Amino acid sequence: KQEVTQIPAALSVPEGENLVLNCSFTDSAIYNLQWFRQDPGKGLTSLLLIQSSQREQTSGRLNASLDKSSGRSTLYIAASQPGDSATYLCAVTINTGANSKLTFGKGITLSVRP
Amino acid sequence: SAVISQKPSRDICQRGTSLTIQCQVDSQVTMMFWYRQQPGQSLTLIATANQGSEATYESGFVIDKFPISRPNLTFSTLTVSNMSPEDSSIYLCSVGGGNQPQHFGDGTRLSIL
Repeated sequence: KQEVTQIPAALSVPEGENLVLNCSFTDSAIYNLQWFRQDPGKGLTSLLLIQSSQREQTSGRLNASLDKSSGRSTLYIAASQPGDSATYLCAVTINTGANSKLTFGKGITLSVRP
Repeated sequence: SAVISQKPSRDICQRGTSLTIQCQVDSQVTMMFWYRQQPGQSLTLIATANQGSEATYESGFVIDKFPISRPNLTFSTLTVSNMSPEDSSIYLCSVGGGNQPQHFGDGTRLSIL
């Protein structure tokens, strides 16, 4: 059974700091990995999707890497801002087509202090 | 990306009652997914809903408790039946998958008294 772990559960950093959020998964037979952001009282916003054949994806100040063989992904946030405060979840897709099931971690709640 | 609207956004219900959650997408999609997010827990897939066929339920979820309808390619409903306090959660629908990102609605926050 695929398990996704995100440690620590919470993180507080000062504004301007570069930071790395970690995600690990137990079964390397994934189709892709996705990072999401969840703001309080809101749904999930897709940030980055990395296919299993890719090593990294970038969007603005965000960079996500994937090491499938070791079961790890990182989300790098450059020059953090208070607006980055949210819960960040990673999820892996373990099937394709008719059953594209996402398995989620519990998320990391990030607080960026002004 | 698809725009997903969920109704209601939140509700407070009495135990033993049922609530139907609606999910509307602004484009036609083959698969729609229903997730549950219990307090302090990760999201868990309840079922996958394909238009024109029975929903596929994940282990631990049954049709009698969570009946799903999928009448067309832009709409789905999830009913939470005979609710108990343990059903207090956020329920989210999503679309996408495969080699495309999954996109989520804002969720329905459900509290059972």
